[in-house]
Amino acid sequence: NAGVTQTPKFQVLKTGQSMTLQCAQDMNHEYMSWYRQDPGMGLRLIHYSVGAGITDQGEVPNGYNVSRSTTEDFPLRLLSAAPSQTSVYFCASSRVAGGIETQYFGPGTRLLVL
Amino acid sequence: DAKTTQPPSMDCAEGRAANLPCNHSTISGNEYVYWYRQIHSQGPQYIIHGLKNNETNEMASLIITEDRKSSTLILPHATLRDTAVYYCIVRVARTSYDKVIFGPGTSLSVIP
Repeated sequence: NAGVTQTPKFQVLKTGQSMTLQCAQDMNHEYMSWYRQDPGMGLRLIHYSVGAGITDQGEVPNGYNVSRSTTEDFPLRLLSAAPSQTSVYFCASSRVAGGIETQYFGPGTRLLVL
Repeated sequence: DAKTTQPPSMDCAEGRAANLPCNHSTISGNEYVYWYRQIHSQGPQYIIHGLKNNETNEMASLIITEDRKSSTLILPHATLRDTAVYYCIVRVARTSYDKVIFGPGTSLSVIP
């Protein structure tokens, strides 16, 4: 299994540009989520999904859109990039079994908005 | 989910045991303690979880106090590669997903 994969690894955008961060998992997990991490800070939840066709907002959803058309993929869209969105973005998938939830994270996408 | 409190940073000598504390004084009976770590520039990695009994796996041991108000993650023989931020999270046992909020964690530095 490849686990959770993210593309691209690095991206530079100009203010106002749009882009999509890709995330895919091959573990057949129902649950997926997006986090951002700013320098020296902890992880903050952007959006999450509990299954195909179902998404919800996390702590910091403004400026980001998500959709979940398949179990495997959970793309994150920046419609109009702003310098405040410079960050490292992590995608995660998780399973719940016997009351226990274990999250698996991707390697991250490093985004710089100029 | 109950809140947790961790020291912001700790040092540990290479080869020694690293003991990372976590306070969760408001934990309820059906809440589990989870530990994750994040090595620099990588995604977080699950380490271990427990309810009330001490747990051990190939990565670490988890010691939970009898009143469950605190716990300690133990890395028995810390190596330089264990330098990372360690997150303690308390979560209710659930049958479906609910969002996970990571706190600032403890930054562990393993010193040669």
